[in-house]
Amino acid sequence: DIQMTQSPSSLPASVGDRVTITCRASQDIGNDLGWWQQKPGKAPQRLVYRASTLESGVPSRFSGSGSGTEFTLTISSLQPEDFATYYCLQHKSYPLYSFGQGTKLEIK
Amino acid sequence: QLVQSGAEVKKPGSSVKVSCKASGDSFNKFAISWVRQTPGQGLEWMAGVIPIFGSTHYAQRFKDRVLVTTDEFATTVYMELRGLTSEDTALYYCATLSRGPLDWGQGTLVTVSS
Repeated sequence: DIQMTQSPSSLPASVGDRVTITCRASQDIGNDLGWWQQKPGKAPQRLVYRASTLESGVPSRFSGSGSGTEFTLTISSLQPEDFATYYCLQHKSYPLYSFGQGTKLEIK
Repeated sequence: QLVQSGAEVKKPGSSVKVSCKASGDSFNKFAISWVRQTPGQGLEWMAGVIPIFGSTHYAQRFKDRVLVTTDEFATTVYMELRGLTSEDTALYYCATLSRGPLDWGQGTLVTVSS
């Protein structure tokens, strides 16, 4: 199985901050990675696919980058609605997948 | 759209079988995955199936305890988890994660308690 290592697990931040979340893959996955956001009591929603392409309707303050084994999700200026948990998900090994451990973005 | 069966309460050592009905022709061509979320924890991919082919795939840590099947019409997917322990208490989702229309079921809460 491809392992995804995500960091940090918890990220205290304030509205207006710029934050970055990192995922590392245990082997080269090209750009077969998505970033998902989950709010309490809700199913996750994908924000980014192919490592750097924003889903329709996702604000431009979100950006994804990376390829191979290192990937980042950056939020340029945190808004109150961005406080949630974020996951990376690789699909290089489709139809097998693996998630990162998650990053909980918390209000500082 | 993916619609799951209702909540279950099970005894330790027993099994649970959760269903996921897919409406819409396009779902049977793409992998439907089972993902679980334990209380306060992250998402964990467990297994998946491409209904039209019936081909199943399992995460290494679940391959001995999980069985994924489909009905004869390839419209309903089932996930059976055997040898339940309290650590299997979780919300179980079916979902399409990267190909075809992305969707998640509403989740099925499985509680394991004596």
